[in-house]
This record gives sequence, structure tokens and C-alpha cells, in this order.
Amino acid sequence: DAKTTQPTSMDCAEGRAANLPCNHSTISGNEYVYWYRQIHSQGPQYIIHGLKNNETNEMASLIITEDRKSSTLILPHATLRDTAVYYCIACKDYKLSFGAGTTVTVRA
Amino acid sequence: DTGVSQDPRHKITKRGQNVTFRCDPISEHNRLYWYRQTLGQGPEFLTYFQNEAQLEKSRLLSDRFSAERPKGSFSTLEIQRTEQGDSAMYLCASSLPRTAEQYFGPGTRLTVT
Repeated sequence: DAKTTQPTSMDCAEGRAANLPCNHSTISGNEYVYWYRQIHSQGPQYIIHGLKNNETNEMASLIITEDRKSSTLILPHATLRDTAVYYCIACKDYKLSFGAGTTVTVRA
Repeated sequence: DTGVSQDPRHKITKRGQNVTFRCDPISEHNRLYWYRQTLGQGPEFLTYFQNEAQLEKSRLLSDRFSAERPKGSFSTLEIQRTEQGDSAMYLCASSLPRTAEQYFGPGTRLTVT
């Protein structure tokens, strides 16, 4: 699976949109982009995934660039409960390879 | 709640002892996965099952680790002759086939003293 690169950490303000970037320049055509998050002391939680079209669900939006070399996860109205480690993973089947992720801290 | 459950949530054992963890997946999910997570790192894939068949076990960390899913429902992960380096969170997840949309349990935290 392709390697992904994410910032180590970021802060965002409660109530504002949080935009989390991810680079996956070596992604292959059949690899999806998956996002998970892990709140402290819990198991990871699936957020969203996409192949080439932008996707939206009740939790977040995923914007994938046309060349598929990068993507952005958008949390539209961040709350304190969104404080977590966010993982961007390029995957074509079942084997999720988690990197270090981005530690997102939402501040009041 | 019909999510993934794991038992026990915490296990403290002495070095050299054997431990076994259980995972109950979401009932309609035929894929089941085991991961290990050490402090400050993301989860590391260990093995997975489709129904009762263990389709990949090359990532199991050593021959002291084994996993079973005898009837295609719950699964067990056993670590024999535990070492202090085995101290970690052991996570189980389940999914439908042909997707990486996995649902994780709360994990079992193992401490080897």
C-alpha cells in the first residue's frame, strides 16, 4: 500500500472547520483513501473513505485532488470531542497500515 | 450495543505465562482482524480471518502468537511465554468482505511484569 504523509499535530478552534491534509503521491489506481481517528484509550473509529470523487457523510467530508496525490479531511464544525489522532491510510483491500497520524487538539 | 467486544479489557501477567484474549465481532461481519498498538504508535496489523479461515498470519510477531476463529464467529489470540516486550494494547476489528471499513473493539491492554 502507498505511504501517506500527515502533519504531526494541529490545533483548531471549537466551532470552526478543521482541515486535515494528507499526501499520498504514490497511491495506485485501485487504492482507496481511508480516514480513521482514535480518541484517547479507545479503538480506532472509521470516518470516511473515497477513491477519486469527493465524499461526505454525517461525520466529515473528504476532498481528493484530481491527480489523487493528496486529500483533505474536513470536520465542518469541530467540537472538543473531536480531539483525537487522525489517520490517513491508502488501502486497496483489508490491510490497514496505520502511520503516526495527526494529533488534532480542538481548543475552546 | 452490537459493536465489537473484547475480553478482558485489562490483563496483567508475569513474564513466561500464557495469555488468551477473546474478540466477538459484529454478527454479520465475516472478516475479523487483530492488531497490536504500542504507546505512541498507530495500530500494527497482525492477522485476519474470513469466516473460520485465517487468510494471513505472516505478520504475527513470532511463533509465540497464534489466533483462532473456530466457528467463524468469535476469535481468540493467544500469546505463549509472554515477554515484557509484549506489553501493548491488542485490538480486534471486524468488517464485511472487500472493504477496509473496519469496526474496532475497545482493545485489551496487556501488561507483562
